[in-house]
Amino acid sequence: DAKTTQPTSMDCAEGRAANLPCNHSTISGNEYVYWYRQIHSQGPQYIIHGLKNNETNEMASLIITEDRKSSTLILPHATLRDTAVYYCIVRQTFSGNTPLVFGKGTRLSVIA
Amino acid sequence: NAGVTQTPKFRILKIGQSMTLQCAQDMNHNYMYWYRQDPGMGLKLIYYSVGAGITDKGEVPNGYNVSRSTTEDFPLRLELAAPSQTSVYFCASSYSRGATAYEQYFGPGTRLTVT
Repeated sequence: DAKTTQPTSMDCAEGRAANLPCNHSTISGNEYVYWYRQIHSQGPQYIIHGLKNNETNEMASLIITEDRKSSTLILPHATLRDTAVYYCIVRQTFSGNTPLVFGKGTRLSVIA
Repeated sequence: NAGVTQTPKFRILKIGQSMTLQCAQDMNHNYMYWYRQDPGMGLKLIYYSVGAGITDKGEVPNGYNVSRSTTEDFPLRLELAAPSQTSVYFCASSYSRGATAYEQYFGPGTRLTVT
């Protein structure tokens, strides 16, 4: 079973920031938080990951609470092309044979 | 780089038929994976490989077989297809350095229907 809890769906106005929450209250010290997204009918796409510090890349920012029990993925200026299902996953990075456990994710709809 | 490629994109099988789903990557990744995704659900791991000649079962391996004779290719074999194998199949690969494996890159998927 997935170790994360996410809202089923969210809406966001185009051009505004999309903030996607994730709860992972049972996360252990050596587990990272990963975010992937899946645009309709395509393969999942890696977005970002982090351990305990906030992270930013060209796609998004990841804010992890100090107790690491929750995190928020931020898409700073959402576009229609960001409409997708977003998956929050916890995983031990150092073990390649640890699969990505995908839950049902959050369906983000960006509205014009 | 083409990344991860999968063939075919679509396939319809009759019950009891067999087929091989092809997956190839040109990123020199050690790790490769096969997932299936049923409608409205998340992905489930079928098999994975940590390098040529080495494979292992994932969460839902029954009814499937894999082989990894080269770094680039990781075919998935379905024997005696059943309606329960109707799904979208995704192949993925990832880079590893020592024991650390990084983010996975996914192919476009193969949509399989068994009737």
